[in-house]
Order: sequence, then C-alpha cells, then structure tokens
Amino acid sequence: KQEVTQIPAALSVPEGENLVLNCSFTDSAIYNLQWFRQDPGKGLTSLLLIQSSQREQTSGRLNASLDKSSGRSTLYIAASQPGDSATYLCAVKGTGGYQKVTFGTGTKLQVIP
Amino acid sequence: AAGVIQSPRHLIKEKRETATLKCYPIPRHDTVYWYQQGPGQDPQFLISFYEKMQSDKGSIPDRFSAQQFSDYHSELNMSSLELGDSALYFCASSRLAGTYNEQFFGPGTRLTVL
Repeated sequence: KQEVTQIPAALSVPEGENLVLNCSFTDSAIYNLQWFRQDPGKGLTSLLLIQSSQREQTSGRLNASLDKSSGRSTLYIAASQPGDSATYLCAVKGTGGYQKVTFGTGTKLQVIP
Repeated sequence: AAGVIQSPRHLIKEKRETATLKCYPIPRHDTVYWYQQGPGQDPQFLISFYEKMQSDKGSIPDRFSAQQFSDYHSELNMSSLELGDSALYFCASSRLAGTYNEQFFGPGTRLTVL
C-alpha cells in the first residue's frame, strides 16, 4: 500500500524567502506525482504534474523535482509571497489498476508579510 | 476551459438521512474519481469509474454507493448519514487514454451532518 508523507507539516517563513517542501512515498512504482495547493475550506488547485520519466517541472516561481528511485519529490517556491499561504499537498498516482491517487499529509505554509 | 462541476456545493443533512452528490466531468473525460477529505485530513480515495464501470474501490463505507451514467456524470449516494461523514467530497476526472492521465479536481461538495 502506497504511503505518502510530507515534511514539514507546517512552515512559517518571512516574505521573499525561498523554501522547499518535501514529499516522500513508499512505493516507487508510480505513474506520476502531482503537487496541489488548497486554501482553507476550498478545492484543490493543481500546480505541477511530473511524469515518472521526468526529473522536474517548472511553472513560474515553482519548481518540482522527482527522484523516483529514492521515493522523493520536492516543491521549490522562489521569492515567497503572502498569497502563497495555503496547504500544499503532493499526490502520487500508482501504476496498478486505474491509477487512483494517494495524497500526502500536506504542508501548511504561512508566508509572513 | 471547462472544469469539473460538482453539485451541490454545500449540503446540510441530519443524522440517518440520505444525500446524493453529483459530479460532471470535463467533456471527453471517461474516468471519474471520488475522494473524501475530513477536517484537517488529506483527501482519501473512495471509488472510481471508467466507462460507466467501477474500476477501483478505496475506503468507501458500505452505506455509500456510486455510479457513472451514460453521459459520464457520476453520483455518490450516501445513506444512514453519520456525524463522521461530515467532510469535503471531491470529484476528479481524467481521460484514461490521455497522454498524462492527469486528474482534474472539482471544487468539492461540503457535507455537514447535524
């Protein structure tokens, strides 16, 4: 059974700082890994998707990397802004069956102005 | 671009009542997934459908059932509601044959059981 863990559970940084969020998964047989953002009480916004054959994806100030063999992914946020404050979830899609997604435990980020 | 539509967005029910949540996938998407997110928890997979057939099953209680219709929309039926069923229910859709099979999530239905 796939288990996905995110460290740290919560993070508070001053505005402008660069930061890294970590995601680890136990089963390296994955199809892809996706990073989401969730604002309190709101839905999931997809940020980046990395296919199992890829090493990284970039979108604006965000960069996600994937090391499938070690079961790790990182989300790098450059020049953080107060609007980045949210919970960030990584989600791993397995290769078996119809590829349901297993979500991580989330990192709650607060960017202080 | 069209997104996943869920209705209703908010629902309040009493214990032991029933509830039906609806999900309309992105056009041409053939797979629908249901997730439950309790307060302060990460989303948990419930069930999925591909081409109107159940394709995978997660931690869905026996009191819940779901189906996918000919127009690909899906409904999650919840009976004998319990306080613990209060959660945000997400639907996601994807196109299985698509290049990345990326799941696109709807805004969710917030169910409150009183």
